[in-house]
Amino acid sequence: GAGVSQSPSNKVTEKGKDVELRCDPISGHTALYWYRQRLGQGLEFLIYFQGNSAPDKSGLPSDRFSAERTGESVSTLTIQRTQQEDSAVYLCASSSGTPWRETQYFGPGTRLLVL
Amino acid sequence: AQKVTQAQTEISVVEKEDVTLDCVYETRDTTYYLFWYKQPPSGELVFLIRRNSFDEQNEISGRYSWNFQKSTSSFNFTITASQVVDSAVYFCALGTAANQAGTALIFGKGTTLSVSS
Repeated sequence: GAGVSQSPSNKVTEKGKDVELRCDPISGHTALYWYRQRLGQGLEFLIYFQGNSAPDKSGLPSDRFSAERTGESVSTLTIQRTQQEDSAVYLCASSSGTPWRETQYFGPGTRLLVL
Repeated sequence: AQKVTQAQTEISVVEKEDVTLDCVYETRDTTYYLFWYKQPPSGELVFLIRRNSFDEQNEISGRYSWNFQKSTSSFNFTITASQVVDSAVYFCALGTAANQAGTALIFGKGTTLSVSS
């Protein structure tokens, strides 16, 4: 497809379980971003990739969160030992060129519910 | 420090009314970019406009228009003759090199627009 895709669309898990969220960026986009959006809130930056390196991990809320990216392609965000406060929509975006100059295009998000 | 303020949390209008969504930003950089996104109830953020700091021309796209004023550090968004389909959360965002390592855009908290028929 032409846009950013994310899977799964929805994920329900039990507290303490690990989850893996996937993002497929727009083909050719070198930059990839993960954000978190809690219900009724704004966007919270988590991590940014340029290619497969992550120059900015400053937004990861704890060491339970990690992310990786294969080349300039798919990225996975992993949350270990999930907690109820991890419940949110996780949004992925991608862009070309210099991140702060270029438009970020967003995927539909993964809605995570931790019971 | 860089910051984006969307002071209007919620706005309710009746169809065909004009509505302006305010966005005020803070940055010490002379080169920066401003963006508006729309997030309808479906949840996906939709890009609306990107403007760089050197282009102060206002822009019109159909019923949408944007007023960029560097003197007041504002980038306001007006919807003319609003429609029910305009109901969404609208986010203003700032991109600036001052965020080292290309940190993602700085988003405002959003304005929820409700248009009733």
